[in-house]
Amino acid sequence: GNSVTQMEGPVTLSEEAFLTINCTYTATGYPSLFWYVQYPGEGLQLLLKATKADDKGSNKGFEATYRKETTSFHLEKGSVQVSDSAVYFCALSEVGQGGSEKLVFGKGTKLTVNP
Amino acid sequence: ETGVTQTPRHLVMGMTNKKSLKCEQHLGHNAMYWYKQSAKKPLELMFVYNFKEQTENNSVPSRFSPECPNSSHLFLHLHTLQPEDSALYLCASSQAHIQYFGAGTRLSVL
Repeated sequence: GNSVTQMEGPVTLSEEAFLTINCTYTATGYPSLFWYVQYPGEGLQLLLKATKADDKGSNKGFEATYRKETTSFHLEKGSVQVSDSAVYFCALSEVGQGGSEKLVFGKGTKLTVNP
Repeated sequence: ETGVTQTPRHLVMGMTNKKSLKCEQHLGHNAMYWYKQSAKKPLELMFVYNFKEQTENNSVPSRFSPECPNSSHLFLHLHTLQPEDSALYLCASSQAHIQYFGAGTRLSVL
């Protein structure tokens, strides 16, 4: 079945450092790819997405490019802030039983940014 | 604010209690989901509903009983739970591959 593998955390950075969180996937076909973020005490919220190969998703200074040749969707940010401290989930879309849309999530990577 | 509201936010229950979690969305979405999020474990999809019909049950124990009376509301009825059921229970709704999550119910089973 389809799966998502993302780098193990936790990741600890100083403010203004460069961030990369690696994500690779295994899938049949060409799924849409997503990064979700979960701030403390909250549910997951969509950070960015890409629906086809070579698409770049971007939001709040974060970027990720859908790379079909390496089956990857790495998350990057040039200069992190304390407020970016959260858990980041990589995910892909698939069609489940009965035709329902589903997301397959990675295990999540906890990011802590220190001032 | 994602448009998906879960109540209660926190719940403590004994193993012999019966309680229900509620999820409500007014986004006009037709698909709704229950997830379980435990510490140090991946997010687990429990149930999927599409147009009020259950389309997926990922081998969830029968002590968890979902109900979807209409496309805007989803319930998770709980009875005779075990301590290992303590977790954050997340509800989501979706349209066009994007899922919108509630803030979750933090459940503690004593």
